[in-house]
Amino acid sequence: RKEVEQDPGPFNVPEGATVAFNCTYSNSASQSFFWYRQDCRKEPKLLMSVYSSGNEDGRFTAQLNRASQYISLLIRDSKLSDSATYLCVVNTEAGNNRKLIWGLGTSLAVNP
Amino acid sequence: NAGVTQTPKFQVLKTGQSMTLQCAQDMNHNSMYWYRQDPGMGLRLIYYSASEGTTDKGEVPNGYNVSRLNKREFSLRLESAAPSQTSVYFCASSEVGVYNSPLHFGNGTRLTVT
Repeated sequence: RKEVEQDPGPFNVPEGATVAFNCTYSNSASQSFFWYRQDCRKEPKLLMSVYSSGNEDGRFTAQLNRASQYISLLIRDSKLSDSATYLCVVNTEAGNNRKLIWGLGTSLAVNP
Repeated sequence: NAGVTQTPKFQVLKTGQSMTLQCAQDMNHNSMYWYRQDPGMGLRLIYYSASEGTTDKGEVPNGYNVSRLNKREFSLRLESAAPSQTSVYFCASSEVGVYNSPLHFGNGTRLTVT
């Protein structure tokens, strides 16, 4: 089993739709979790950290399920500009960025 | 505020040639990183520097060397390029000692080794 697994997609959704991605991780001792966004041929950028109690930033909601070892990202009211690859990132050592394990990403295409 | 600046953006090398990828950040970050990104492999850490004067190997250091020239600059050198080093290279920086400190990436260098 890979350390961090994501459904590669692509997810094709119409504008305004709600879409959700999951990401599973294998190390139960993982400490912190993130979602990054990467546009085609560009650098990854932090979208949001994932907190134990779940957190929301505008149209984006992130949740953590430690028992089942997955994190999720929910995007409401999808915009064309949300089209990108979403990377799940797991840190096996809290606060230590050299322990980051990156998923391969889930591709999202929002269509007009 | 430029953030993290990488040069060059594109490079084509022949097997056996050498080159240095340059990276500079103006965010006063202590930690800097070099990653490579390949299809089907995700982002993999090559080397990192927790602070000025220190460097450590990451997941895939073979064939590379690094220099943390000062707090701002962290370079990656390929002494004898191989086709397996064809990849997209990203430099990144982050604050140290800050929980959940995000990585700030440069624009990337697309390297092809023929």
